Amino acid sequence: DTAVSQTPKYLVTQMGNDKSIKCEQNLGHDTMYWYKQDSKKFLKIMFSYNNKELIINETVPNRFSPKSPDKAHLNLHINSLELGDSAVYFCASSLLAGLSSYNEQFFGPGTRLTVL
Amino acid sequence: GENVEQHPSTLSVQEGDSAVIKCTYSDSASNYFPWYKQELGKRPQLIIDIRSNVGEKKDQRIAVTLNKTAKHFSLHITETQPEDSAVYFCAARTPRNGNQFYFGTGTSLTVIP
Repeated sequence: DTAVSQTPKYLVTQMGNDKSIKCEQNLGHDTMYWYKQDSKKFLKIMFSYNNKELIINETVPNRFSPKSPDKAHLNLHINSLELGDSAVYFCASSLLAGLSSYNEQFFGPGTRLTVL
Repeated sequence: GENVEQHPSTLSVQEGDSAVIKCTYSDSASNYFPWYKQELGKRPQLIIDIRSNVGEKKDQRIAVTLNKTAKHFSLHITETQPEDSAVYFCAARTPRNGNQFYFGTGTSLTVIP
């Protein structure tokens, strides 16, 4: 009954490789997100995506690309990995809603990516 | 886009005392302000939230206040306990830019027994 799940939990890889992190939510939410949390614990939004639009934070390198096969999944693909990509990546989901609706954002367990 | 600032970055209090964490935001269109608690090695989890049409909300030992005019909101934890020790994040959601959430830089709270 996990709400937001991510795989893998840990990912260790060499510089220059291409890798993917998978995210799935079973909450019926219509918006999904990817965040990067660096060693200083800052949580930075990378992408938000619903079935209407993809919003990309302008600081995210184009080596990062989200792929959504359906409403319940938002996977993160990373090409040509660099040392600075090492971080914990969190997926999250919520309802795209206004003042009168339930707004909570649920986070996945995180994926710790280490680039050697 | 939205810019959320959070203070202090670290906070130590004696068990039983109160803790206050403050955040400011820049986008007047932001309409939802959650607070998350993140324990070491775990995911952020929502502890309380407030919408822009409300000034204050309380849930047991935790309360949040919002001043829309000044664009700031605060988290208040009373009667702190050691298990309150964690990193706390404030966030603001703006309908601009796809309803994204923008997070503060976090406050590491330590409750000393």
